[in-house]
Amino acid sequence: GAGVSQSPSNKVTEKGKDVELRCDPISGHTALYWYRQSLGQGLEFLIYFQGNSAPDKSGLPSDRFSAERTGGSVSTLTIQRTQQEDSAVYLCASSHDNTGELFFGEGSRLTVL
Amino acid sequence: DQQVKQNSPSLSVQEGRISILNCDYTNSMFDYFLWYKKYPAEGPTFLISISSIKDKNEDGRFTVFLNKSAKHLSLHIVPSQPGDSAVYFCARTNFGNEKLTFGTGTRLTIIP
Repeated sequence: GAGVSQSPSNKVTEKGKDVELRCDPISGHTALYWYRQSLGQGLEFLIYFQGNSAPDKSGLPSDRFSAERTGGSVSTLTIQRTQQEDSAVYLCASSHDNTGELFFGEGSRLTVL
Repeated sequence: DQQVKQNSPSLSVQEGRISILNCDYTNSMFDYFLWYKKYPAEGPTFLISISSIKDKNEDGRFTVFLNKSAKHLSLHIVPSQPGDSAVYFCARTNFGNEKLTFGTGTRLTIIP
């Protein structure tokens, strides 16, 4: 489809393992965002890309979290040495302007055992 | 710190009646406010927005009101329909700053 695509949709991992989450934004959208939603919580901002650069990475919770974007398109969010508190739904969104209208993917549900 | 707060975690409304969802904010200047709707196991979808230079924006059954003196934002849905049952998030952004800050959400349940 033409929407934001995220993979995997579900990931169960053991504490201490690394995970990589992928986001394919809508074609032509220059801005890309990562948010996460923990159980019972709101949407927590993680990082924002404009093209391949990240003007705002203020929401990354620790240095175990990193993200990159290549070719102004696909983005990967990497979590190293996962902890149980990393369990959440990780949502990716893209947009083509700065009005705040974001198009979200369905999310990647991460469970750390 | 620019925040948005949704103080009601849940709301139940009879089908056909008006649903009013509320949001309070701090430290606004040339902001843009938005409402998003989220169904279970799906990503949020944009619903309606309003710039800080306006007091009201209407789109079909959905109207957003902005009370700048009270720093309060509300979403009115009338008439409410069963398909409106979802979690609603208010959000804000500054012009030229693309990061959205979201509230914690209000779960709306429409009772048939």
